[in-house]
Amino acid sequence: DQQVKQNSPSLSVQEGRISILNCDYTNSMFDYFLWYKKYPAEGPTFLISISSIKDKNEDGRFTVFLNKSAKHLSLHIVPSQPGDSAVYFCAASARNAGGTSYGKLTFGQGTILTVHP
Amino acid sequence: DAGITQSPRYKITETGRQVTLMCHQTWSHSYMFWYRQDLGHGLRLIYYSAAADITDKGEVPDGYVVSRSKTENFPLTLESATRSQTSVYFCASSEQGFQRNQPQHFGDGTRLSIL
Repeated sequence: DQQVKQNSPSLSVQEGRISILNCDYTNSMFDYFLWYKKYPAEGPTFLISISSIKDKNEDGRFTVFLNKSAKHLSLHIVPSQPGDSAVYFCAASARNAGGTSYGKLTFGQGTILTVHP
Repeated sequence: DAGITQSPRYKITETGRQVTLMCHQTWSHSYMFWYRQDLGHGLRLIYYSAAADITDKGEVPDGYVVSRSKTENFPLTLESATRSQTSVYFCASSEQGFQRNQPQHFGDGTRLSIL
């Protein structure tokens, strides 16, 4: 049962254009979402996150949007650069039964982004 | 250099053998994690540790054993390796475990092949 899904295995865009990576989740207990970026032969690196109390978070060229009613989040990269070519993972975490901050991360399958010069 | 390192980077072994993957971090982070990455599954949590001598199961713990005798080390052992455990393994750490503003930092991974 895949609780976090990235339905697009790959995405190809031109340099300077917008890249939109999508992620859907099924667990309504998820209340914090993260995006990680991964280059070949390296570990994932944290990119941006968003709490469920927000619907948007921006950091430079990267913006994450959260639509709780649709259980959907997206990562926008504007403008896209060749150096953004990587695998992007979305991840989600939920509070534990006690309501305390907790975040065992559940990852999606990843989307391979290729930005062409 | 400060950071999180995994060893070996590549390992080939045979079914039934015991193999240990090492993870070392220099930040003195309390929390450490082991994930495996497989095509179509993303990263799945195997085990995690909140502090020395405290460990707990993740999503896919079967066939794996962990220990945490020192804060900086978190080895993962496959006691009797099976082909289904062929994967890329990532270790991660974070200062406050699952706090929102403390994302996990990952090592560069160990690619394990079991023949």
